[in-house]
Amino acid sequence: GAVVSQHPSRVICKSGTSVKIECRSLDFQATTMFWYRQFPKQSLMLMATSNEGSKATYEQGVEKDKFLINHASLTLSTLTVTSAHPEDSSFYICSARDVASGDTDTQYFGPGTRLTVL
Amino acid sequence: AQSVTQLDSHVSVSEGTPVLLRCNYSSSYSPSLFWYVQHPNKGLQLLLKYTSAATLVKGINGFEAEFKKSETSFHLTKPSAHMSDAAEYFCVVSVENTGGFKTIFGAGTRLFVKA
Repeated sequence: GAVVSQHPSRVICKSGTSVKIECRSLDFQATTMFWYRQFPKQSLMLMATSNEGSKATYEQGVEKDKFLINHASLTLSTLTVTSAHPEDSSFYICSARDVASGDTDTQYFGPGTRLTVL
Repeated sequence: AQSVTQLDSHVSVSEGTPVLLRCNYSSSYSPSLFWYVQHPNKGLQLLLKYTSAATLVKGINGFEAEFKKSETSFHLTKPSAHMSDAAEYFCVVSVENTGGFKTIFGAGTRLFVKA
C-alpha cells in the first residue's frame, strides 16, 4: 500500500526559532499533499493543501507567513513553522493521495510530528 | 455541505465482546466514507473505505462497516474486541466535485478495551 513518511517524529525547539517538517510519499507520486494539526484529544484540523509546483491553499484562519509550505517535488512537501511560539506546540500530520492508482479519494497519512516549543 | 457526527466520544468494552462505533453523516453529493484508527502519538491508519459498491465493507483487523443510506449511517463493528484495538477511531467523509476535494473528520471515538 501507499506509504507516507514524516521527519522528524519529534522536535523540541526554543521560542522564536523556525522548524521544518518533511512529508514524503515513499512509493508513489503525490501532486497534492495535505497538512493537518491535531490538538490533544481532538480531531484533525486541515491547515493547508500543498500543491506540487504551485502555491499552497490555506484554510481560513491559518497564517500563511507563519506556516510556510513548499511542495518542490512529486514526493516531498515541507511545512516550516516560522518564529515558533509555545502555542504552536502540537501534533502535525501530513497526508497524500495516490491519484495515479485510480483511488482518488483515499488519503494515506504520515506518522505525525510532535512539535514542542519551549 | 458535508458533516460527520460520531455519536460517542468514548466507548468501553470488555475483551472478546462486540464493538460498535457509531457514525452519521450528511452530504450534498455522493460521498466516500472512511474509518481510520489512530494509536497514541501515531498517524492515522486506514481501516476501511466505502465508495458505491457493496454496502457492507470489510476492513483490516476484523473490522467492518455497513453503509445505510436511509439512515445516513456508517457504523463500525467488530465481533470480538482485542486489547490491541484500544485506540482513537475517526469516521471521515470525502467529496470531490467542481469545488475541489474536501475531507470532513468526525470528532473521534476513543475505544477502551478492558481485560
